[in-house]
Amino acid sequence: DAGVIQSPRHEVTEMGQEVTLRCKPISGHNSLFWYRQTMMRGLELLIYFNNNVPIDDSGMPEDRFSAKMPNASFSTLKIQPSEPRDSAVYFCASTKGVYNEQFFGPGTRLTVL
Amino acid sequence: SQKIEQNSEALNIQEGKTATLTCNYTNYSPAYLQWYRQDPGRGPVFLLLIRENEKEKRKERLKVTFDTTLKQSLFHITASQPADSATYLCALRSNDYKLSFGAGTTVTVRA
Repeated sequence: DAGVIQSPRHEVTEMGQEVTLRCKPISGHNSLFWYRQTMMRGLELLIYFNNNVPIDDSGMPEDRFSAKMPNASFSTLKIQPSEPRDSAVYFCASTKGVYNEQFFGPGTRLTVL
Repeated sequence: SQKIEQNSEALNIQEGKTATLTCNYTNYSPAYLQWYRQDPGRGPVFLLLIRENEKEKRKERLKVTFDTTLKQSLFHITASQPADSATYLCALRSNDYKLSFGAGTTVTVRA
């Protein structure tokens, strides 16, 4: 199994631009999580999907952030417009069921100038 | 407010010694606790899970204890090796789906 796949691995953009991060979960997993990791705040949950349905987006910092999961094998996290304080590493994780170990992707390092 | 605290300082130990990491929590009633390893530039990798009714769990050179009275978990790496150098994260799951992570403890094992 290829594991959780994320793209791009690195993204550098200018303030105000739209950024789209992509995630392919492990086949057969029905729960998907988007996290953000920074030195200051550690690993924070942004949004959780179960069976492609967003269950909890209370961690999404602002309306500038949105996430979709159009099918079981693909999810996107979009930031529009991006700001320098959005600079962080964004991880996608998937799991079978909800209460099991989570499998993390390699992350996308986002830098907003 | 809810808080998860791990060793505030990085841990530097000699190869062959035992590393002991601490995870303390407040205002949580975790159904279980997980430990993850994170290497630079990579995502966290699951290591061990221990449930609230379990006192101890082992996996090869790793041992985890869970004391719900003290609200503390200890993570031990025995016979440590340079390859064990990484950041170790504890994560608590309450009775919902959410996994809350500590800030992590960075371990460096000297040869």
